[in-house]
Amino acid sequence: GAVVSQHPSRVICKSGTSVKIECRSLDFQATTMFWYRQFPKQSLMLMATSNEGSKATYEQGVEKDKFLINHASLTLSTLTVTSAHPEDSSFYICSARGSKEFFGPGTRLTVL
Amino acid sequence: AQKITQTQPGMFVQEKEAVTLDCTYDTSDPSYGLFWYKQPSSGEMIFLIYQGSYDQQNATEGRYSLNFQKARKSANLVISASQLGDSAMYFCAMREVLPNTGGFKTIFGAGTRLFVKA
Repeated sequence: GAVVSQHPSRVICKSGTSVKIECRSLDFQATTMFWYRQFPKQSLMLMATSNEGSKATYEQGVEKDKFLINHASLTLSTLTVTSAHPEDSSFYICSARGSKEFFGPGTRLTVL
Repeated sequence: AQKITQTQPGMFVQEKEAVTLDCTYDTSDPSYGLFWYKQPSSGEMIFLIYQGSYDQQNATEGRYSLNFQKARKSANLVISASQLGDSAMYFCAMREVLPNTGGFKTIFGAGTRLFVKA
């Protein structure tokens, strides 16, 4: 099956710093990628839809200036959490749309 | 409004027995897809089974089957012959086609944690 990777798998950062998370579709081209957030013991919540070559579409309540999304190529989308705070600590999962929706393994962000 | 509802936060099942995980959904779109994913403690989402809104027959994938009752808007997952490795979080999800753009959005239920007992 198709493979989607995320890097890093785990990151710890200080409050106020920015963190970039990469999502790559390894063996297919994805015009659309999705970013989800999952709090402990909760469901996935869609944050934004990332379209190659255009601006991302953010879900209601998600700050686009805080969660910067760049989808510069058909195989790479990045999510940058700017000026991270402890409440941004979460599990971030991306998915890529090919013939189906394929999920990455997730990135666990801890902000101290 | 809640679009995907999983009413069972936790379920226990004896190894080798079957278990049904409930899922109901709400949509006015005639075209949609229903999914079940498994999320073990590692965090990775594992696709299990898919049911299209126009599919006449219930989907099956190995030990997984989806009991699709369109009129009741339910899409329950049935796991037969449970194994210890089935212990995980299970999410029901619905994919809706977005108007105007033709793109889609996936909405997840709250999940059901399944515990398989030896």
